[in-house]
Amino acid sequence: EVQLVESGGGLVQPGGSLRLSCVASGFSFTNYWMTWARQAPGKGLECVADIKDDGSRTYYVDSVKGRFTISRDNAKNSLYLQMNSLRVEDTAIYYCGRDGRIDWWGQGTLVTVSS
Amino acid sequence: EVLMTQSPLSLPVILGQPASISCRSTQDLVFTDGGTYLSWFHQRPGQSPRRLIYEVSKRDSGVPDRFSGSGSGADFTLQISRVEVEDVGVYYCMQGTHWPYTFGPGTTVDIK
Repeated sequence: EVQLVESGGGLVQPGGSLRLSCVASGFSFTNYWMTWARQAPGKGLECVADIKDDGSRTYYVDSVKGRFTISRDNAKNSLYLQMNSLRVEDTAIYYCGRDGRIDWWGQGTLVTVSS
Repeated sequence: EVLMTQSPLSLPVILGQPASISCRSTQDLVFTDGGTYLSWFHQRPGQSPRRLIYEVSKRDSGVPDRFSGSGSGADFTLQISRVEVEDVGVYYCMQGTHWPYTFGPGTTVDIK
Protein backbone atom coordinates (compact mmCIF):
# COMPACT_ATOMS: atom_id res chain seq x y z
CA GLU A 1 0.00 0.00 0.00
CA VAL A 2 1.24 3.49 -0.87
CA GLN A 3 2.14 5.54 2.20
CA LEU A 4 3.47 9.08 2.48
CA VAL A 5 4.28 10.27 6.00
CA GLU A 6 5.15 13.92 6.56
CA SER A 7 6.89 15.38 9.59
CA GLY A 8 8.67 18.53 10.68
CA GLY A 9 5.82 20.99 11.02
CA GLY A 10 5.38 23.26 14.00
CA LEU A 11 5.19 26.82 15.26
CA VAL A 12 7.83 29.25 13.98
CA GLN A 13 8.23 33.02 14.12
CA PRO A 14 8.10 35.15 10.98
CA GLY A 15 11.51 35.09 9.31
CA GLY A 16 12.32 31.68 10.74
CA SER A 17 13.03 28.34 9.06
CA LEU A 18 11.65 24.81 9.06
CA ARG A 19 12.53 21.63 7.21
CA LEU A 20 9.72 19.28 6.29
CA SER A 21 10.30 15.61 5.53
CA CYS A 22 8.21 12.97 3.80
CA VAL A 23 9.00 9.26 3.89
CA ALA A 24 7.50 7.20 1.10
CA SER A 25 6.74 3.48 1.01
CA GLY A 26 4.71 1.00 -0.99
CA PHE A 27 5.92 2.09 -4.42
CA SER A 28 9.12 2.67 -6.38
CA PHE A 29 10.01 6.16 -5.17
CA THR A 30 12.77 6.62 -7.75
CA ASN A 31 10.25 6.36 -10.60
CA TYR A 32 8.08 9.29 -9.55
CA TRP A 33 8.12 13.05 -9.62
CA MET A 34 7.09 14.32 -6.19
CA THR A 35 5.20 17.39 -5.03
CA TRP A 36 4.69 19.58 -1.98
CA ALA A 37 1.25 21.16 -1.80
CA ARG A 38 -0.34 23.23 0.95
CA GLN A 39 -3.72 24.25 2.30
CA ALA A 40 -4.15 27.33 4.47
CA PRO A 41 -6.68 26.89 7.31
CA GLY A 42 -10.18 26.77 5.86
CA LYS A 43 -8.86 27.56 2.38
CA GLY A 44 -8.16 25.82 -0.91
CA LEU A 45 -5.22 23.88 -2.25
CA GLU A 46 -1.95 25.15 -3.76
CA CYS A 47 0.94 23.31 -5.40
CA VAL A 48 4.14 24.73 -3.92
CA ALA A 49 7.04 22.78 -5.44
CA ASP A 50 7.77 19.85 -7.73
CA ILE A 51 10.87 17.71 -8.21
CA LYS A 52 11.77 15.30 -10.99
CA ASP A 53 12.28 11.61 -10.20
CA ASP A 54 16.09 11.91 -10.27
CA GLY A 55 16.16 15.32 -8.58
CA SER A 56 17.61 17.05 -11.63
CA ARG A 57 14.75 19.51 -12.12
CA THR A 58 12.70 21.52 -9.66
CA TYR A 59 9.79 23.94 -10.00
CA TYR A 60 8.33 26.45 -7.56
CA VAL A 61 5.25 28.62 -7.34
CA ASP A 62 6.25 32.30 -7.49
CA SER A 63 5.27 33.04 -3.89
CA VAL A 64 7.98 30.72 -2.50
CA LYS A 65 10.77 31.12 -5.07
CA GLY A 66 14.06 32.01 -3.40
CA ARG A 67 12.74 31.01 0.03
CA PHE A 68 11.81 27.31 -0.27
CA THR A 69 13.96 24.45 -1.60
CA ILE A 70 12.59 21.04 -2.55
CA SER A 71 14.99 18.08 -2.54
CA ARG A 72 14.96 14.31 -2.31
CA ASP A 73 17.13 11.38 -1.23
CA ASN A 74 16.18 8.39 -3.34
CA ALA A 75 18.34 6.06 -1.23
CA LYS A 76 16.14 6.93 1.75
CA ASN A 77 12.81 7.18 -0.14
CA SER A 78 12.53 10.66 1.27
CA LEU A 79 11.35 14.07 0.09
CA TYR A 80 12.21 17.35 1.78
CA LEU A 81 11.11 20.97 1.83
CA GLN A 82 13.50 23.50 3.33
CA MET A 83 11.51 26.63 4.16
CA ASN A 84 13.38 29.86 4.96
CA SER A 85 12.24 33.44 5.56
CA LEU A 86 8.83 32.16 6.57
CA ARG A 87 5.88 34.55 6.44
CA VAL A 88 2.53 34.56 8.22
CA GLU A 89 0.89 33.71 4.89
CA ASP A 90 2.88 30.45 4.71
CA THR A 91 0.75 29.08 7.55
CA ALA A 92 -0.87 25.92 6.19
CA ILE A 93 -1.06 22.16 6.24
CA TYR A 94 1.75 20.95 3.97
CA TYR A 95 1.10 17.76 2.04
CA CYS A 96 3.56 15.47 0.31
CA GLY A 97 2.17 14.18 -2.98
CA ARG A 98 3.17 11.40 -5.33
CA ASP A 99 3.60 12.52 -8.93
CA GLY A 100 3.41 16.09 -10.15
CA ARG A 101 -0.30 15.63 -10.65
CA ILE A 102 -0.69 14.11 -7.15
CA ASP A 103 -2.31 10.73 -7.41
CA TRP A 104 -1.66 10.05 -3.71
CA TRP A 105 -1.49 12.44 -0.71
CA GLY A 106 0.10 12.16 2.70
CA GLN A 107 -1.80 13.09 5.86
CA GLY A 108 -0.10 16.49 6.04
CA THR A 109 1.92 18.40 8.62
CA LEU A 110 0.83 21.76 10.03
CA VAL A 111 3.12 24.77 9.77
CA THR A 112 2.13 27.82 11.79
CA VAL A 113 4.03 31.08 11.29
CA SER A 114 3.20 33.52 14.06
CA SER A 115 4.85 35.81 16.55
CA GLU B 1 -0.83 31.36 -13.99
CA VAL B 2 -3.88 29.38 -15.10
CA LEU B 3 -6.94 30.29 -13.07
CA MET B 4 -9.53 27.62 -12.39
CA THR B 5 -13.14 28.41 -11.60
CA GLN B 6 -15.86 26.07 -10.37
CA SER B 7 -19.62 26.31 -10.21
CA PRO B 8 -21.56 26.06 -8.12
CA LEU B 9 -19.45 26.72 -5.03
CA SER B 10 -22.12 25.15 -2.83
CA LEU B 11 -24.26 22.19 -3.90
CA PRO B 12 -26.99 20.82 -1.63
CA VAL B 13 -28.03 17.43 -2.96
CA ILE B 14 -30.73 14.85 -2.31
CA LEU B 15 -29.52 11.32 -1.60
CA GLY B 16 -29.89 9.13 -4.64
CA GLN B 17 -30.16 12.08 -7.02
CA PRO B 18 -27.52 13.16 -9.55
CA ALA B 19 -25.11 16.04 -9.07
CA SER B 20 -22.88 17.96 -11.44
CA ILE B 21 -19.96 20.36 -10.94
CA SER B 22 -18.49 22.56 -13.63
CA CYS B 23 -14.82 23.56 -13.89
CA ARG B 24 -13.33 26.08 -16.31
CA SER B 25 -9.75 27.14 -16.95
CA THR B 26 -8.36 30.38 -18.38
CA GLN B 27 -6.15 28.44 -20.79
CA ASP B 28 -6.57 25.35 -22.91
CA LEU B 29 -5.35 22.32 -20.93
CA VAL B 30 -4.03 20.22 -23.82
CA PHE B 31 -0.36 19.44 -23.12
CA THR B 32 2.41 19.10 -25.73
CA ASP B 33 2.10 15.31 -25.52
CA GLY B 34 -1.58 15.54 -26.53
CA GLY B 35 -2.89 14.69 -23.06
CA THR B 36 -5.32 16.89 -21.14
CA TYR B 37 -4.30 16.96 -17.49
CA LEU B 38 -7.47 17.83 -15.63
CA SER B 39 -8.12 15.99 -12.37
CA TRP B 40 -10.86 15.94 -9.75
CA PHE B 41 -10.26 15.51 -6.02
CA HIS B 42 -12.58 14.90 -3.07
CA GLN B 43 -11.75 16.08 0.44
CA ARG B 44 -13.74 15.15 3.53
CA PRO B 45 -13.45 17.36 6.64
CA GLY B 46 -10.20 16.72 8.48
CA GLN B 47 -8.85 14.43 5.77
CA SER B 48 -6.36 14.68 2.93
CA PRO B 49 -7.67 15.05 -0.60
CA ARG B 50 -8.25 11.91 -2.63
CA ARG B 51 -7.98 11.89 -6.40
CA LEU B 52 -11.09 10.56 -8.15
CA ILE B 53 -10.56 11.37 -11.82
CA TYR B 54 -7.47 12.08 -13.90
CA GLU B 55 -6.92 13.10 -17.52
CA VAL B 56 -10.51 14.38 -17.69
CA SER B 57 -12.35 11.08 -17.55
CA LYS B 58 -10.20 8.24 -16.16
CA ARG B 59 -11.30 6.93 -12.76
CA ASP B 60 -8.65 6.16 -10.16
CA SER B 61 -8.51 2.67 -8.70
CA GLY B 62 -11.31 2.03 -6.22
CA VAL B 63 -13.42 5.01 -7.27
CA PRO B 64 -17.08 4.03 -7.67
CA ASP B 65 -18.43 4.15 -11.19
CA ARG B 66 -21.12 6.64 -10.15
CA PHE B 67 -18.36 9.25 -10.60
CA SER B 68 -17.61 10.34 -14.14
CA GLY B 69 -15.66 13.15 -15.75
CA SER B 70 -16.02 14.78 -19.12
CA GLY B 71 -14.99 17.82 -21.10
CA SER B 72 -12.24 19.16 -23.29
CA GLY B 73 -10.11 22.23 -23.88
CA ALA B 74 -11.00 24.54 -21.01
CA ASP B 75 -14.44 23.31 -19.97
CA PHE B 76 -14.94 20.25 -17.76
CA THR B 77 -17.60 18.53 -15.67
CA LEU B 78 -17.71 16.07 -12.79
CA GLN B 79 -20.92 14.10 -12.48
CA ILE B 80 -22.18 11.90 -9.67
CA SER B 81 -24.98 9.70 -10.96
CA ARG B 82 -26.57 8.98 -7.57
CA VAL B 83 -25.25 10.82 -4.53
CA GLU B 84 -24.48 8.76 -1.43
CA VAL B 85 -23.82 9.93 2.13
CA GLU B 86 -20.05 9.36 1.81
CA ASP B 87 -19.91 11.77 -1.13
CA VAL B 88 -20.28 14.87 1.06
CA GLY B 89 -17.26 17.14 1.27
CA VAL B 90 -15.38 19.51 -1.00
CA TYR B 91 -14.58 18.75 -4.62
CA TYR B 92 -11.66 20.42 -6.37
CA CYS B 93 -10.62 20.39 -9.99
CA MET B 94 -6.91 20.77 -10.75
CA GLN B 95 -5.01 21.47 -13.95
CA GLY B 96 -1.68 19.66 -14.35
CA THR B 97 -0.76 21.04 -17.77
CA HIS B 98 0.79 24.45 -17.06
CA TRP B 99 3.12 25.00 -14.07
CA PRO B 100 2.25 26.07 -11.45
CA TYR B 101 -0.46 23.47 -11.36
CA THR B 102 -3.56 25.14 -9.96
CA PHE B 103 -6.77 24.15 -8.25
CA GLY B 104 -10.28 25.47 -8.44
CA PRO B 105 -11.76 27.09 -5.31
CA GLY B 106 -13.72 23.99 -4.40
CA THR B 107 -17.39 23.00 -4.43
CA THR B 108 -18.94 22.00 -1.12
CA VAL B 109 -21.42 19.15 -1.48
CA ASP B 110 -23.79 18.46 1.39
CA ILE B 111 -27.07 16.68 1.88
CA LYS B 112 -30.22 18.74 1.49
